[in-house]
Amino acid sequence: DAGVTQSPTHLIKTRGQQVTLRCSPKSGHDTVSWYQQALGQGPQFIFQYYEEEERQRGNFPDRFSGHQFPNYSSELNVNALLLGDSALYLCASSLSGSNTIYFGEGSWLTVV
Amino acid sequence: QKEVEQDPGPLSVPEGAIVSLNCTYSNSAFQYFMWYRQYSRKGPELLMYTYSSGNKEDGRFTAQVDKSSKYISLFIRDSQPSDSATYLCAMSMGGTSYGKLTFGQGTILTVHP
Repeated sequence: DAGVTQSPTHLIKTRGQQVTLRCSPKSGHDTVSWYQQALGQGPQFIFQYYEEEERQRGNFPDRFSGHQFPNYSSELNVNALLLGDSALYLCASSLSGSNTIYFGEGSWLTVV
Repeated sequence: QKEVEQDPGPLSVPEGAIVSLNCTYSNSAFQYFMWYRQYSRKGPELLMYTYSSGNKEDGRFTAQVDKSSKYISLFIRDSQPSDSATYLCAMSMGGTSYGKLTFGQGTILTVHP
């Protein structure tokens, strides 16, 4: 049973560029959430997708957007990258209504 | 003030010691409590999940919740070098906020042989 898979694992972007990160949830899960984890900090909730709609959103600017596909996989897009966007981006999946949440290994984004 | 406070440590203990990790929170709406373990440069791994005050045991791990004091703990018995990692507490309000976790900063634990 594959867990939560994310791609790419590492990437380097330049300030002002745009980035797309991808996530496939754990088999059977229909809800995908995205988190940002800065070095030395706990993960911070960005947003959550269910039935292809954004259901909840954390305190992140509109530069952060996402999408969920009919197969429940998801993308996180970040526009106009800032140096402060450098972080580990984590995808988490769960079944709707459950707080049993599983994380992927993350995508390391470095903005230079 | 952060909603969830966790001492970042670092905490260093000898193998076999009992480890106590703690978090406090300010929002009484939190109803569900988790502990995650995160190895260096990896994603968080769910260790314990509980939603009621009291203790929950799983092998060498015991999670304790005191909702009246807004305080949660994770105890690790007979600690092993393989337990060396960052431990994150996380909480959720449930209801329409299912799946939205608020994390502590994480405590770095080192268990030395």
